[in-house]
Amino acid sequence: NAGVTQTPKFRILKIGQSMTLQCTQDMNHNYMYWYRQDPGMGLKLIYYSVGAGITDKGEVPNGYNVSRSTTEDFPLRLELAAPSQTSVYFCASRLDRGGHGYTFGSGTRLTVV
Amino acid sequence: AQKVTQAQTEISVVEKEDVTLDCVYETRDTTYYLFWYKQPPSGELVFLIRRNSFDEQNEISGRYSWNFQKSTSSFNFTITASQVVDSAVYFCALSEAGRSQGNLIFGKGTKLSVKP
Repeated sequence: NAGVTQTPKFRILKIGQSMTLQCTQDMNHNYMYWYRQDPGMGLKLIYYSVGAGITDKGEVPNGYNVSRSTTEDFPLRLELAAPSQTSVYFCASRLDRGGHGYTFGSGTRLTVV
Repeated sequence: AQKVTQAQTEISVVEKEDVTLDCVYETRDTTYYLFWYKQPPSGELVFLIRRNSFDEQNEISGRYSWNFQKSTSSFNFTITASQVVDSAVYFCALSEAGRSQGNLIFGKGTKLSVKP
């Protein structure tokens, strides 16, 4: 049981480049999330999805896009990378809105130079 | 508005000391869930505990214990006889059942350093 898998683990981007952070879960969870963690801060919600084909903005969505074509995959797209997007990105999933817990991926450390 | 406050930014203790990490939350929901996560230097998030708003019983798991008090909107975490391996950043988080996103709202974390 792999849980939530994020790739890549590390990446350095130049300003203006684009990339996609991959997130896959094999638990048939409906809810998926992308968070970013800046130094000394807690995690902030970028985008979330409550099921395949349904996505919505979180607290800090600017500069990002997502899609959810399948239950398993929830990629995060960065267009025109900026230094402000230097952060650690976590993908998470949960079965539903009830008392079930969350499963987090191991994170992607992104540096934009 | 929903909010989680961890007032202690950094705590440093000597091994075998007891340490309490504070967490205060704000929510208008009557049904909610509180969490603690550990983030060791390796960076991953390790789940420690989940409590729902209807269960105020304190919980103990080995050297870890949690004190949930709705009257003061607090969910504090105590490590007894701390060890160097407890050094990490600890996050308290809130999830509201009435919130359609179902996401976690995190505090800023408390960095715990346990010195030998």
